[in-house]
Amino acid sequence: SQTIHQWPATLVQPVGSPLSLECTVEGTSNPNLYWYRQAAGRGLQLLFYSVGIGQISSEVPQNLSASRPQDRQFILSSKKLLLSDSGFYLCAWSPRDILQPQHFGDGTRLSIL
Amino acid sequence: EDQVTQSPEALRLQEGESSSLNCSYTVSGLRGLFWYRQDPGKGPEFLFTLYSAGEEKEKERLKATLTKKESFLHITAPKPEDSATYLCAVQAANNFNKFYFGSGTKLNVKP
Repeated sequence: SQTIHQWPATLVQPVGSPLSLECTVEGTSNPNLYWYRQAAGRGLQLLFYSVGIGQISSEVPQNLSASRPQDRQFILSSKKLLLSDSGFYLCAWSPRDILQPQHFGDGTRLSIL
Repeated sequence: EDQVTQSPEALRLQEGESSSLNCSYTVSGLRGLFWYRQDPGKGPEFLFTLYSAGEEKEKERLKATLTKKESFLHITAPKPEDSATYLCAVQAANNFNKFYFGSGTKLNVKP
């Protein structure tokens, strides 16, 4: 069966510091990978998605970036965090190009001080 | 523009009091509609996929239905453990790789 791992679970960072969140998927090949941000009490905002190694689509212009160095690894980064980057970050995967739901990791709670 | 709207934003029910959550959508050719449950501090957990108008899916006290413009999640005789935020998402025909999420309905079931 497929599993998705996301870490760390919680992170407290000062304004202006860098960020690296990692997500890996096991038990599948060639997945679509996604990064979402969820503000408190709000829906999911799609940040990035990837259909393959090195292929990144950006949905929202901001100071975040994403990379996919391996088939089942997805990384969310920032060079300098802003207060507005605080939130709950979720990684998800889905099979490519067929009608199947997304499956989510347990998220990273990011607090910027 | 593709979008998904959920209502109500929040719903309080007494244990055993049945109700429905609504998800209305505007999308260029619906390929699939998905319901998720999200507990506080956790990622969404997949519940159902609906593919075409008239389709219904059931799981314990939950039943999801789909029309050409909206989906309903019916909760029959809810229990406190059904308390969670319920999210719906749609996948459009012109792009299998993107999912559009609603903002969710926060359900609170009181004992």
